[in-house]
Amino acid sequence: DAKTTQPPSMDCAEGRAANLPCNHSTISGNEYVYWYRQIHSQGPQYIIHGLKNNETNEMASLIITEDRKSSTLILPHATLRDTAVYYCIVRVARDRGSTLGRLYFGRGTQLTVWP
Amino acid sequence: NAGVMQNPRHLVRRRGQEARLRCSPMKGHSHVYWYRQLPEEGLKFMVYLQKENIIDESGMPKERFSAEFPKEGPSILRIQQVVRGDSAAYFCASSPGQGRTNYGYTFGSGTRLTVV
Repeated sequence: DAKTTQPPSMDCAEGRAANLPCNHSTISGNEYVYWYRQIHSQGPQYIIHGLKNNETNEMASLIITEDRKSSTLILPHATLRDTAVYYCIVRVARDRGSTLGRLYFGRGTQLTVWP
Repeated sequence: NAGVMQNPRHLVRRRGQEARLRCSPMKGHSHVYWYRQLPEEGLKFMVYLQKENIIDESGMPKERFSAEFPKEGPSILRIQQVVRGDSAAYFCASSPGQGRTNYGYTFGSGTRLTVV
C-alpha cells in the first residue's frame, strides 16, 4: 500500500520551523507528492503537493530532492495549532483509472509543537 | 461555501443493528470517497463513487457494507448487523471529477460510530 516512510513523531518549539521528512524512493515519474494533516479527531486537511519543483503556499513549503526520492514539508513558524499527524502520500494526480480515489495513508508523523 | 458535510457526527448502535452514514459533497463535486479510521491507525480507503455508479469498492469488506451515491441526495454508507469491530471514524471526501483532483480532496469531519 503506502509507498512512503516517515518518522513516527517529531517535536518543535512554537515559532520555530518544523521540517518533516518523507522518503519515497520508489516514486514514479508521474506521481506527485501530497501532504495532508489530521488534527485530533478531525478530517484530513490538504496542505500542499508537488511534482519536482519546490512549492510554497500560505500554509507550508515543500522541498523535493532532485532525484525525487525524498521530500521535506516545512512549516516556517509552527504554532500550537499545527500539532497534528502529518501524512506524506504519493500518487498520480490526473490518472483516469479506477484508482483515482485511493489515497494511501500510512501512520504519518505526529508533530507536537510545544510552547 | 459549505464543505463536505457528514452526519451524524456521532452514532451509537447496538450489535446487530444497522448504521447509516451520510455524506453531502461540496457544491459542484460529483465524486465521493469513503475512508475508515480504526483507533490508533491511519485512514483506509473503502469505496469511490460517482453519481449512481460505484467506481472502486476494493476497500469495502465483502459482507454487511454497502455504499451508494444516488442522482439526488447524499451518499450513504450502510453497515448492516454492526459488530464491535465496526467501531471507527468514517470519513467522506469529495472532488470535482476525474482528472481534476490536482488540488487534493476535501474531507468532511467524519462520523464516529460506536457499537455497544
